[in-house]
Amino acid sequence: GQQVMQIPQYQHVQEGEDFTTYCNSSTTLSNIQWYKQRPGGHPVFLIQLVKSGEVKKQKRLTFQFGEAKKNSSLHITATQTTDVGTYFCASANFGNEKLTFGTGTRLTIIP
Amino acid sequence: DAGITQSPRHKVTETGTPVTLRCHQTENHRYMYWYRQDPGHGLRLIHYSYGVKDTDKGEVSDGYSVSRSKTEDFLLTLESATSSQTSVYFCAITEWGGGKAEAFFGQGTRLTVV
Repeated sequence: GQQVMQIPQYQHVQEGEDFTTYCNSSTTLSNIQWYKQRPGGHPVFLIQLVKSGEVKKQKRLTFQFGEAKKNSSLHITATQTTDVGTYFCASANFGNEKLTFGTGTRLTIIP
Repeated sequence: DAGITQSPRHKVTETGTPVTLRCHQTENHRYMYWYRQDPGHGLRLIHYSYGVKDTDKGEVSDGYSVSRSKTEDFLLTLESATSSQTSVYFCAITEWGGGKAEAFFGQGTRLTVV
């Protein structure tokens, strides 16, 4: 089945530093999604990318989908304490209506 | 939050006992899912449903069963709980359409099997 690997598993950064998490697949993905889970909370949808090489921005967050549609990244510029949480990538299979999630990257911020 | 309610929110149970977790939704969504979340594994699909009485297995379905007798409720049952089933369980609905799929999650159930 489809597998999506995500790195790193954990990331500790000083407040104000940048942060990046990467999502990689051995197979071509039709789309990539990103979710954020605050500590003690539930995952919340952030965005979906579908086009090769697509780049989308949400304020300090930049999402990229690779040219080969096998990888994606989420970059946060100048992290803030509100960015703390676990970030998941996911890919939706429209054929069987399943989402496959990456393993997640847990971000902690050092004030 | 798509009107998804999970119950109970926390449960401690003994090994070998049956446990049922409930997911209730109020917006008539067709697709419902049960995931478990464990450190280092992310969210893994246990079972999902694509309609009343229509269910299918996910990647980690062993030891779990599900039922969906009406649109709004999706039940997850651990027939005989084991310590390896200690986890946080999330129910989700996913809206599919227009080339987009967006999952909405319940608040989660923290299950501890002792």
